[in-house]
Amino acid sequence: GENVEQHPSTLSVQEGDSAVIKCTYSDSASNYFPWYKQELGKRPQLIIDIRSNVGEKKDQRIAVTLNKTAKHFSLHITETQPEDSAVYFCAASRNFNKFYFGSGTKLNVKP
Amino acid sequence: KAGVTQTPRYLIKTRGQQVTLSCSPISGHRSVSWYQQTPGQGLQFLFEYFSETQRNKGNFPGRFSGRQFSNSRSEMNVSTLELGDSALYLCASSLSDAYGYTFGSGTRLTVV
Repeated sequence: GENVEQHPSTLSVQEGDSAVIKCTYSDSASNYFPWYKQELGKRPQLIIDIRSNVGEKKDQRIAVTLNKTAKHFSLHITETQPEDSAVYFCAASRNFNKFYFGSGTKLNVKP
Repeated sequence: KAGVTQTPRYLIKTRGQQVTLSCSPISGHRSVSWYQQTPGQGLQFLFEYFSETQRNKGNFPGRFSGRQFSNSRSEMNVSTLELGDSALYLCASSLSDAYGYTFGSGTRLTVV
């Protein structure tokens, strides 16, 4: 089955800096890659996703890039703010009906 | 519209007991998936139901089972509870095989 690895496990940045979280996947048939943000004590929430026919997607301060050849995708957060502090999970799916999650990255944005 | 609703929010059970968790998906969502979240293992896939049929299953023992009703509501059952079953159980629903998940707030199960 699919194996998703996520790095780093913790990331500490200064407010205003950029943060990058990277994930690799093993199943070349995976075609959907969402990112979830989970604040302490809350449910994971979808923040951005990308499909395999697209190389990059942006939504305000958040962007995701996908390299299908290398089988890796990354989350980029620019101009980080304290409210960006949370655990971020990447995931990979083949046709949406079973998702494999990375182990999570705890992002701490220091004011 | 209402989000994914999970009940109960918190549950304390004793080893050996069984437990049933409930999930009501977003109206119109037909796919319901269940995940176990623990600090050490992250989000682990349990199973997925679509139109009352189990479509996918993760690598959990047979003590973990589920079902889905005709109104898409789903239940998850764990029998003969073990201490290691203590976790946050998350339910997620999706509209179809072209959309990502919306998660519920989870049921935190503590086994003592």
